[in-house]
Amino acid sequence: DGGITQSPKYLFRKEGQNVTLSCEQNLNHDAMYWYRQDPGQGLRLIYYSQIVNDFQKGDIAEGYSVSREKKESFPLTVTSAQKNPTAFYLCASSMAGGLSGEQFFGPGTRLTVL
Amino acid sequence: KQEVTQIPAALSVPEGENLVLNCSFTDSAIYNLQWFRQDPGKGLTSLLLIQSSQREQTSGRLNASLDKSSGRSTLYIAASQPGDSATYLCAVRHNTGFQKLVFGTGTRLLVSP
Repeated sequence: DGGITQSPKYLFRKEGQNVTLSCEQNLNHDAMYWYRQDPGQGLRLIYYSQIVNDFQKGDIAEGYSVSREKKESFPLTVTSAQKNPTAFYLCASSMAGGLSGEQFFGPGTRLTVL
Repeated sequence: KQEVTQIPAALSVPEGENLVLNCSFTDSAIYNLQWFRQDPGKGLTSLLLIQSSQREQTSGRLNASLDKSSGRSTLYIAASQPGDSATYLCAVRHNTGFQKLVFGTGTRLLVSP
């Protein structure tokens, strides 16, 4: 099945820890994105990557880091510098430069800080 | 700065009713608009995508319209069913540069049997 997978589904972090969220896609999409969703707010863009070995900061990149070593994978690290990391994290992908630019989303990871 | 608003924030209807969800945006220079469905604790499912040159798109019981000049889109759901209960999100993409989506906060729909 083609799609986007995220793991783990639930993640608990202690204060001061770094944690990494996994995102994998087999849609052969060039572009990948990380969003954060908080209750009562729209999704906000953390980082995006239009091609392998390249990524750009979104609107709320502070306290997060990413890598894009493979086309299929775009892991997100939530560092201890992120002051309020408890949220629902969503990964998405799209055909870069495609006519529609339609984005497809994974099932999400819920991160809770203990 | 693009802002996307969805009204109402919540809607409760009996099964079988036709309904309209609204989305408005402040900057009409968009490339396209996308409607999503989100079930509790789940990711987003793409429902319809309307390019800026289009007026509407249809998929089954769903019809989305776009009036770019007035900054509005509507999602029409015909003959609603309890399975339609979810949060519906709209998002717009600017017509230049990177494919960034700006999201509204969603309309939470409950269809009761």
